[in-house]
Amino acid sequence: EPEVTQTPSHQVTQMGQEVILRCVPISNHLYFYWYRQILGQKVEFLVSFYNNEISEKSEIFDDQFSVERPDGSNFTLKIRSTKLEDSAMYFCASGGHTYEQYFGPGTRLTVT
Amino acid sequence: DQQVKQNSPSLSVQEGRISILNCDYTNSMFDYFLWYKKYPAEGPTFLISISSIKDKNEDGRFTVFLNKSAKHLSLHIVPSQPGDSAVYFCAAIDTGGGNKLTFGTGTQLKVEL
Repeated sequence: EPEVTQTPSHQVTQMGQEVILRCVPISNHLYFYWYRQILGQKVEFLVSFYNNEISEKSEIFDDQFSVERPDGSNFTLKIRSTKLEDSAMYFCASGGHTYEQYFGPGTRLTVT
Repeated sequence: DQQVKQNSPSLSVQEGRISILNCDYTNSMFDYFLWYKKYPAEGPTFLISISSIKDKNEDGRFTVFLNKSAKHLSLHIVPSQPGDSAVYFCAAIDTGGGNKLTFGTGTQLKVEL
């Protein structure tokens, strides 16, 4: 069964450093998403991406964040200058022509 | 801004019995609802969904009920199995405003032998 994959599973970085989180969505899906879950809190929407552009973004997704689909398979989330409060689980998701979204296993980002 | 609420942080049920997980929402624009299951250190796994034009959807042991007037939905698992022990999230979409999922805080279900 096709699945969303994410790398790395755990990323430790120092405050102020740039990180890139990578995702390979399900191959025939058209919609791509990033969500995050800070420890003890709910899963929060960050951004959605369709037809090579951002279709929606949340207030969290400020100028420090960017997304890219550099080729036909990868979908990346970049945080330019990480802050302590960026520490969270980051989930990539993809969806097709229905509303269901399928999630990857997540990347745990720890900012020290 | 809790548009989707799951008021029970935890639920314990005996194996073989019914598990009922509840979810309330406040945004009347939500018109599509989903349930996800999440194990520790894994991503949410899609379980079942329901459109606001229906009041019930069934898939195997899982049934979701939607009461639009009460802005309430519930997930029934029958019979409950130990492998169902996980955190269950309710999520909602305003399909007219994009596809983003708005999640509840989750309910930890424990199915005991």
